[in-house]
Parts: sequence; structure tokens; C-alpha cells
Amino acid sequence: QVQLVQSGAEVKKPGASVKVSCKASGYTFTNYYIHWVRQAPGQGLEWMGIINPSGGSTTYAQKFQGRVTMTRDTSTSTVYMELSSLRSEDTAVYYCARAGSMVIGYWFDPWGQGTLVTVSS
Amino acid sequence: SYELTQPPSVSVSPGQTARITCSGDALPKQYAYWYQQKPGQAPVVVIYKDSERPSGIPERFSGSSSGTTVTLTISGVQAEDEADYYCQSTYSSGTYVIFGGGTKLTVL
Repeated sequence: QVQLVQSGAEVKKPGASVKVSCKASGYTFTNYYIHWVRQAPGQGLEWMGIINPSGGSTTYAQKFQGRVTMTRDTSTSTVYMELSSLRSEDTAVYYCARAGSMVIGYWFDPWGQGTLVTVSS
Repeated sequence: SYELTQPPSVSVSPGQTARITCSGDALPKQYAYWYQQKPGQAPVVVIYKDSERPSGIPERFSGSSSGTTVTLTISGVQAEDEADYYCQSTYSSGTYVIFGGGTKLTVL
């Protein structure tokens, strides 16, 4: 079955960077976009951006431009999301999510299990 | 900036019908999607492309669209349906993703 498995929880100091991984299985990795969405404690969902695993092209939400980098490794079917210059407001659960279809890529099914990133001094 | 507006909360008794709305100017031109999120879990899509239901989602979940408003309807609500529900769409010709603020469904 289609599965996205994310790396484990991280604790970072303000100003540091974090890199979260998302390993895909159960489908052809290069056929579906992967998105990153985050959720601060007790808050709603916030889209961060998208990567096309086929060519590596990316689109980032304006809020994260300049601070986020999404990459992929086709040999291991893994995508990565790196967020730099961390601040306390970046404390959140970070999800990767596969596009729901090859034709319409801007919805999400399935989602990874989430990775808690805590930013604290 | 573009927004999707949902009511913060909806309450219904078991067996009744719950309707959760989502409003946004681009909704007549872009598809809407609905996600269910239970505490401590990742979201799960319950409706895609305004009104399509993924396999494995109960038939009591349905979606509809009218103008700038889309609606998630849950008929014969069950206790297990208590969750947060988020609508999602795109804007700027489908380049960017936006979520509604979420609606907490309480089953009384």
C-alpha cells in the first residue's frame, strides 16, 4: 500500500536549521508530487510547498520563501524539507503528503505520520 | 491574500445531519477538498474534487458546491465522526494551496 514514513522528532535552538525526511513506498515515486504541510500546536493546517520528484522542481508558499528548501533522492524514494533560521513560531508538526492523483496534483492522499519539530532555547 | 472561511465549530446529535461550509472567492473556479483530522492523527481526505468520495470513506460523507461556497455534509452523524474538518483549495491559477481555518465537529 502507499505509505509515507517520516523521520523522528527534532529539538532545535533558535537560529538553527532542521531537515525532515519522508520516504515513499508502494507506488512509482516520480509519478506524484509531494507536498509539505505544517500544524502548530492547537492550530490549523498550513501549506509550505510542493516538489515534483521527477525533475526536482519546487514551488514554495510566499511565507517560507528564502527559508525552506525541498529536495528529493530518487534512488531512495525520499524527499526532504529543510527549514532554516528557526524561531519559536516554527514549533509544529510537519507533514509530508503525496498528491492525490497524477492529473490533479494539489490535494493530499495519503499523509505521512508527521514529525514534531520543537524550537526552544 | 486569499482566504477560505469555515465556521469554528458545529455541533449535532448522533443520527442527525451535519453541514460544514467553506467560502472563498476562487471556489467557483477551483476544486475543493475536505480532510478529517482526529486528535494526534494525520488528516485524511474525505471528499475530493468538490463531491467525489475516496474508496473507504463512508457514504454518509458527501460534498457539494454552489457559487463561492462548498459544503461538507455528514448524514446520520456517528460518534466516531467527531473531529476537526478542513477545506482546501488552490489559488493563483492553481499554483498555491490554501486551507480553511478548520471546523471542530462535536457530536453531542
